[in-house]
Amino acid sequence: DGGITQSPKYLFRKEGQNVTLSCEQNLNHDAMYWYRQDPGQGLRLIYYSQIVNDFQKGDIAEGYSVSREKKESFPLTVTSAQKNPTAFYLCASSIPPGQGLNTEAFFGQGTRLTVV
Amino acid sequence: RKEVEQDPGPFNVPEGATVAFNCTYSNSASQSFFWYRQDCRKEPKLLMSVYSSGNEDGRFTAQLNRASQYISLLIRDSKLSDSATYLCVVTALGEEYGNKLVFGAGTILRVKS
Repeated sequence: DGGITQSPKYLFRKEGQNVTLSCEQNLNHDAMYWYRQDPGQGLRLIYYSQIVNDFQKGDIAEGYSVSREKKESFPLTVTSAQKNPTAFYLCASSIPPGQGLNTEAFFGQGTRLTVV
Repeated sequence: RKEVEQDPGPFNVPEGATVAFNCTYSNSASQSFFWYRQDCRKEPKLLMSVYSSGNEDGRFTAQLNRASQYISLLIRDSKLSDSATYLCVVTALGEEYGNKLVFGAGTILRVKS
């Protein structure tokens, strides 16, 4: 089955540690996205990538880093510089916007990160 | 001005009611429009795409007004199971916007018996 997989589902991090969230898709999508969602709030864009080996900062990129070495994978690292990392992190993929009308995003099930 | 704006609600309606949400967008070059549904503590899921001619899927109807730059979602005969957050999504194209999908903050719907 085609889909997008995030792991782990729950993650606990000590203050000062870097952690990496995994996102893998087998939908053959060029575009991938990372969003952060805080309780009762909407989705905020952290980073996005339109093609392998290229990515752009979103609205709240500070304290985060990404890589896009493979089309299928877009891992997100939450660094110690992110002062308030506890949140729900969602990864999505799509056909790149502008390349047709069927550019809807497909989401993974999310990772809940808690700083302890 | 935000790229995509929605009334956060909540909209509290009785079962069987008809409810409508609007969403405005700022990028006139936007090509694709979607409505997503998000249940509490879950990932968003596509509810329907929004086409220029409008489209209907059962109790749900979506409309696009390019001249006024808004999309709408109409839900007829509301069910308890329709309670969720409804997210408006627009493609943002061009160098200024970065060629990406932009999500509204969502509108909360609560259907009560």
